[in-house]
Amino acid sequence: EVQLLESGGGLVQPGGSLRLSCAASRFTISNYAMSWVRQAPGKGLEWVSGISGSDGRTYYADSVKGRFTISRDNSKNTLYLQMNSLRAEDTAVYYCAKGGGNYITYYFDYWGQGALVTVSS
Amino acid sequence: DIVMTQSPDSLAVSLGERATINCKSSQSVLYSSNNKNYLAWYQQKPGQPPELLIYWASTRESGVPDRFSGSGSGTDFTLTISSLQAEDVAVYYCQQHYSTPSTFGGGTKVEIK
Repeated sequence: EVQLLESGGGLVQPGGSLRLSCAASRFTISNYAMSWVRQAPGKGLEWVSGISGSDGRTYYADSVKGRFTISRDNSKNTLYLQMNSLRAEDTAVYYCAKGGGNYITYYFDYWGQGALVTVSS
Repeated sequence: DIVMTQSPDSLAVSLGERATINCKSSQSVLYSSNNKNYLAWYQQKPGQPPELLIYWASTRESGVPDRFSGSGSGTDFTLTISSLQAEDVAVYYCQQHYSTPSTFGGGTKVEIK
């Protein structure tokens, strides 16, 4: 069974930084598109960032462009999200999600349990 | 960006009855070269991550009960639960993955009447 395990969430002050990790098992992340999707408390789902499988091209929502960076370490089979200049509106549960195929234009067939990021002073 | 609009925001259905959720995209999500609609449906129960129910608008994910079905094409889509069970109480989201940014509908909360 595919597993995605997020870590790195926590409480951070506005303007601070945090790095989320998503350790994948039972599949190879470089063969699939991977994304981060967030959910603010009591709200809906918002796609944040993605990375395509074969060419590693990266994509960002306008709300995080220039502040967040998605990357992966193929040797560790791990996806990352570096979050800088954090704002209160970034407070959310961040989910790691596996794409159903190599391209960024795929549905998400597996999701992690999520990591809570709280931005507050 | 493609805007996804779901309706209703919530609905209450008796056990064993049909539940219907609608999703409309602001532009077509049908890719002409492969004739696939880039539309997925997810179920999210409280405190849990979303789970994929339907992809390509009408293909049921492995393990999903056959009471769940998806239909529609272009800009108008429907998720139907043919006979609501207690375990189907959840929020349901549609998603377009035709273009980036991928966008989700606002969600429909399904409850038991």
